Amino acid sequence: EAGVTQFPSHSVIEKGQTVTLRCDPISGHDNLYWYRRVMGKEIKFLLHFVKESKQDESGMPNNRFLAERTGGTYSTLKVQPAELEDSGVYFCASSHRQETQYFGPGTRLLVL
Amino acid sequence: DAKTTQPPSMDCAEGRAANLPCNHSTISGNEYVYWYRQIHSQGPQYIIHGLKNNETNEMASLIITEDRKSSTLILPHATLRDTAVYYCIVRVAGNSGYALNFGKGTSLLVTP
Repeated sequence: EAGVTQFPSHSVIEKGQTVTLRCDPISGHDNLYWYRRVMGKEIKFLLHFVKESKQDESGMPNNRFLAERTGGTYSTLKVQPAELEDSGVYFCASSHRQETQYFGPGTRLLVL
Repeated sequence: DAKTTQPPSMDCAEGRAANLPCNHSTISGNEYVYWYRQIHSQGPQYIIHGLKNNETNEMASLIITEDRKSSTLILPHATLRDTAVYYCIVRVAGNSGYALNFGKGTSLLVTP
Protein backbone atom coordinates (compact mmCIF):
# COMPACT_ATOMS: atom_id res chain seq x y z
CA GLU A 1 0.00 0.00 0.00
CA ALA A 2 1.44 3.37 -1.00
CA GLY A 3 1.94 5.91 1.74
CA VAL A 4 1.21 9.60 1.75
CA THR A 5 3.09 11.33 -1.03
CA GLN A 6 3.94 15.00 -1.38
CA PHE A 7 5.17 17.04 -4.30
CA PRO A 8 7.53 18.75 -4.75
CA SER A 9 10.05 17.58 -2.19
CA HIS A 10 11.77 20.97 -2.29
CA SER A 11 10.82 24.38 -3.57
CA VAL A 12 12.85 27.58 -3.66
CA ILE A 13 10.98 30.73 -4.65
CA GLU A 14 11.36 34.45 -4.29
CA LYS A 15 9.29 36.59 -2.01
CA GLY A 16 6.06 37.57 -3.71
CA GLN A 17 5.86 34.51 -5.91
CA THR A 18 3.25 31.78 -5.73
CA VAL A 19 3.86 28.18 -4.78
CA THR A 20 1.49 25.23 -4.82
CA LEU A 21 2.15 22.14 -2.78
CA ARG A 22 0.40 18.86 -3.47
CA CYS A 23 -0.50 15.96 -1.20
CA ASP A 24 -1.81 12.56 -2.21
CA PRO A 25 -3.24 10.71 0.79
CA ILE A 26 -3.31 6.99 1.35
CA SER A 27 -6.04 5.50 -0.83
CA GLY A 28 -9.38 5.39 0.98
CA HIS A 29 -8.44 7.90 3.68
CA ASP A 30 -11.19 10.49 3.99
CA ASN A 31 -9.28 12.65 6.48
CA LEU A 32 -6.42 14.80 5.23
CA TYR A 33 -4.36 17.19 7.33
CA TRP A 34 -1.77 19.85 6.63
CA TYR A 35 0.92 20.76 9.18
CA ARG A 36 4.07 22.82 8.97
CA ARG A 37 7.28 23.41 10.85
CA VAL A 38 8.93 26.75 10.44
CA MET A 39 12.57 27.19 11.41
CA GLY A 40 13.19 26.57 15.09
CA LYS A 41 9.54 26.04 15.91
CA GLU A 42 7.30 23.09 16.67
CA ILE A 43 5.22 21.23 14.13
CA LYS A 44 1.91 23.08 13.93
CA PHE A 45 -1.47 22.07 12.56
CA LEU A 46 -2.83 24.10 9.64
CA LEU A 47 -6.09 22.50 8.58
CA HIS A 48 -8.13 19.35 8.26
CA PHE A 49 -10.30 18.04 5.43
CA VAL A 50 -12.96 15.38 5.65
CA LYS A 51 -13.38 14.32 2.05
CA GLU A 52 -13.66 17.61 0.16
CA SER A 53 -14.92 19.68 3.11
CA LYS A 54 -12.78 21.78 5.41
CA GLN A 55 -13.47 20.47 8.90
CA ASP A 56 -11.06 22.72 10.76
CA GLU A 57 -8.90 25.48 9.35
CA SER A 58 -8.09 27.16 12.64
CA GLY A 59 -4.35 26.80 12.10
CA MET A 60 -4.14 28.61 8.77
CA PRO A 61 -1.89 31.60 9.42
CA ASN A 62 -3.54 34.12 7.08
CA ASN A 63 -5.43 34.55 3.84
CA ARG A 64 -2.31 34.10 1.74
CA PHE A 65 -2.77 30.37 2.29
CA LEU A 66 -5.46 28.52 0.34
CA ALA A 67 -6.08 24.79 0.64
CA GLU A 68 -8.31 22.76 -1.63
CA ARG A 69 -9.32 19.16 -1.96
CA THR A 70 -11.50 18.91 -4.99
CA GLY A 71 -13.18 15.53 -5.35
CA GLY A 72 -11.98 14.45 -1.96
CA THR A 73 -8.79 12.87 -3.24
CA TYR A 74 -5.53 14.83 -3.41
CA SER A 75 -5.12 18.24 -1.83
CA THR A 76 -3.23 21.37 -2.76
CA LEU A 77 -1.91 24.13 -0.54
CA LYS A 78 -1.22 27.39 -2.31
CA VAL A 79 0.78 30.24 -0.84
CA GLN A 80 0.21 33.52 -2.65
CA PRO A 81 2.15 35.75 -2.35
CA ALA A 82 4.88 33.95 -0.43
CA GLU A 83 6.70 35.77 2.36
CA LEU A 84 10.04 35.03 4.00
CA GLU A 85 8.38 33.71 7.15
CA ASP A 86 6.58 31.03 5.14
CA SER A 87 9.83 29.11 4.79
CA GLY A 88 9.72 25.74 6.47
CA VAL A 89 8.64 22.16 5.97
CA TYR A 90 5.03 21.45 5.07
CA PHE A 91 3.71 18.04 6.03
CA CYS A 92 0.57 16.30 4.94
CA ALA A 93 -1.07 13.45 6.81
CA SER A 94 -4.09 11.26 6.21
CA SER A 95 -6.24 8.94 8.27
CA HIS A 96 -9.23 6.69 7.93
CA ARG A 97 -11.99 8.16 10.09
CA GLN A 98 -10.65 8.77 13.62
CA GLU A 99 -7.75 6.41 13.29
CA THR A 100 -3.99 6.97 13.22
CA GLN A 101 -2.61 9.76 11.08
CA TYR A 102 0.16 8.80 8.66
CA PHE A 103 2.49 11.47 7.42
CA GLY A 104 4.16 12.17 4.12
CA PRO A 105 7.84 13.09 3.75
CA GLY A 106 7.11 16.82 3.59
CA THR A 107 7.83 19.65 1.18
CA ARG A 108 10.74 21.92 2.09
CA LEU A 109 9.89 25.48 1.11
CA LEU A 110 12.47 28.22 1.05
CA VAL A 111 11.36 31.77 0.31
CA LEU A 112 14.20 34.12 -0.59
CA ASP B 1 -6.41 17.99 24.33
CA ALA B 2 -4.44 17.50 27.53
CA LYS B 3 -0.94 18.96 27.78
CA THR B 4 2.07 16.64 27.90
CA THR B 5 5.50 17.10 29.47
CA GLN B 6 8.60 15.32 28.18
CA PRO B 7 12.30 15.70 28.99
CA PRO B 8 14.01 17.72 26.25
CA SER B 9 16.75 15.16 25.62
CA MET B 10 17.95 11.68 26.52
CA ASP B 11 20.87 9.42 25.65
CA CYS B 12 20.86 5.67 25.23
CA ALA B 13 23.57 3.17 24.37
CA GLU B 14 23.04 1.07 21.28
CA GLY B 15 21.48 -2.29 22.11
CA ARG B 16 20.06 -1.13 25.41
CA ALA B 17 16.44 -0.32 26.12
CA ALA B 18 15.39 3.30 25.69
CA ASN B 19 12.69 4.39 28.13
CA LEU B 20 11.07 7.68 27.22
CA PRO B 21 8.76 9.18 29.85
CA CYS B 22 5.75 11.42 29.34
CA ASN B 23 3.55 13.17 31.88
CA HIS B 24 -0.08 13.91 31.02
CA SER B 25 -1.64 14.57 34.42
CA THR B 26 -4.75 16.29 33.01
CA ILE B 27 -5.67 13.51 30.60
CA SER B 28 -9.38 12.82 30.21
CA GLY B 29 -11.04 9.44 30.12
CA ASN B 30 -11.60 9.51 26.37
CA GLU B 31 -8.12 10.69 25.42
CA TYR B 32 -5.58 8.36 23.88
CA VAL B 33 -1.81 8.56 24.27
CA TYR B 34 -0.02 8.57 20.91
CA TRP B 35 3.70 8.41 20.20
CA TYR B 36 5.30 9.65 17.01
CA ARG B 37 8.91 10.26 16.11
CA GLN B 38 10.67 12.40 13.57
CA ILE B 39 13.99 11.15 12.27
CA HIS B 40 16.11 14.06 11.10
CA SER B 41 14.18 15.81 8.33
CA GLN B 42 11.70 13.05 7.52
CA GLY B 43 7.96 13.20 8.10
CA PRO B 44 6.65 12.22 11.55
CA GLN B 45 6.37 8.47 11.93
CA TYR B 46 3.62 6.80 13.95
CA ILE B 47 4.94 4.44 16.62
CA ILE B 48 2.18 3.29 18.92
CA HIS B 49 -0.89 4.43 20.85
CA GLY B 50 -3.03 3.31 23.76
CA LEU B 51 -5.95 4.24 25.98
CA LYS B 52 -5.32 2.54 29.31
CA ASN B 53 -3.89 -0.89 28.67
CA ASN B 54 -0.24 -1.47 27.90
CA GLU B 55 0.42 -1.95 24.21
CA THR B 56 3.20 -3.59 22.20
CA ASN B 57 3.95 -3.73 18.51
CA GLU B 58 6.95 -4.47 16.36
CA MET B 59 8.48 -1.09 17.07
CA ALA B 60 7.92 -0.43 20.75
CA SER B 61 5.97 -0.96 23.94
CA LEU B 62 3.76 1.59 25.64
CA ILE B 63 3.30 1.42 29.39
CA ILE B 64 0.50 3.57 30.81
CA THR B 65 0.19 4.00 34.58
CA GLU B 66 -3.00 2.89 36.24
CA ASP B 67 -4.10 6.48 36.91
CA ARG B 68 -3.22 7.32 33.27
CA LYS B 69 -1.31 10.42 34.34
CA SER B 70 1.93 9.27 32.80
CA SER B 71 3.30 6.80 30.29
CA THR B 72 6.59 5.39 29.07
CA LEU B 73 7.59 4.47 25.55
CA ILE B 74 10.07 1.61 25.50
CA LEU B 75 12.33 0.82 22.58
CA PRO B 76 13.60 -2.58 23.70
CA HIS B 77 16.88 -2.68 21.78
CA ALA B 78 17.76 0.79 20.57
CA THR B 79 19.78 1.13 17.37
CA LEU B 80 21.54 4.14 15.87
CA ARG B 81 18.59 4.53 13.51
CA ASP B 82 16.33 5.21 16.48
CA THR B 83 18.02 8.57 17.01
CA ALA B 84 15.11 10.98 16.56
CA VAL B 85 12.77 13.39 18.29
CA TYR B 86 9.99 11.49 20.05
CA TYR B 87 6.61 13.10 20.60
CA CYS B 88 4.04 12.08 23.18
CA ILE B 89 0.62 13.38 22.13
CA VAL B 90 -2.70 13.11 23.89
CA ARG B 91 -5.79 13.37 21.74
CA VAL B 92 -9.44 12.52 21.60
CA ALA B 93 -10.35 10.09 18.86
CA GLY B 94 -13.60 11.21 17.31
CA ASN B 95 -15.58 10.40 14.28
CA SER B 96 -14.01 13.11 12.18
CA GLY B 97 -10.42 13.03 13.40
CA TYR B 98 -8.47 15.58 15.37
CA ALA B 99 -5.35 17.65 14.90
CA LEU B 100 -2.17 16.52 16.63
CA ASN B 101 -0.39 18.88 19.03
CA PHE B 102 3.27 17.93 18.72
CA GLY B 103 4.97 20.03 21.36
CA LYS B 104 8.76 19.99 21.70
CA GLY B 105 9.25 16.25 22.21
CA THR B 106 12.31 14.40 23.52
CA SER B 107 15.44 14.31 21.42
CA LEU B 108 16.83 10.78 21.80
CA LEU B 109 20.46 10.17 20.90
CA VAL B 110 21.51 6.55 20.56
CA THR B 111 25.26 6.20 20.87
CA PRO B 112 27.54 3.36 19.70
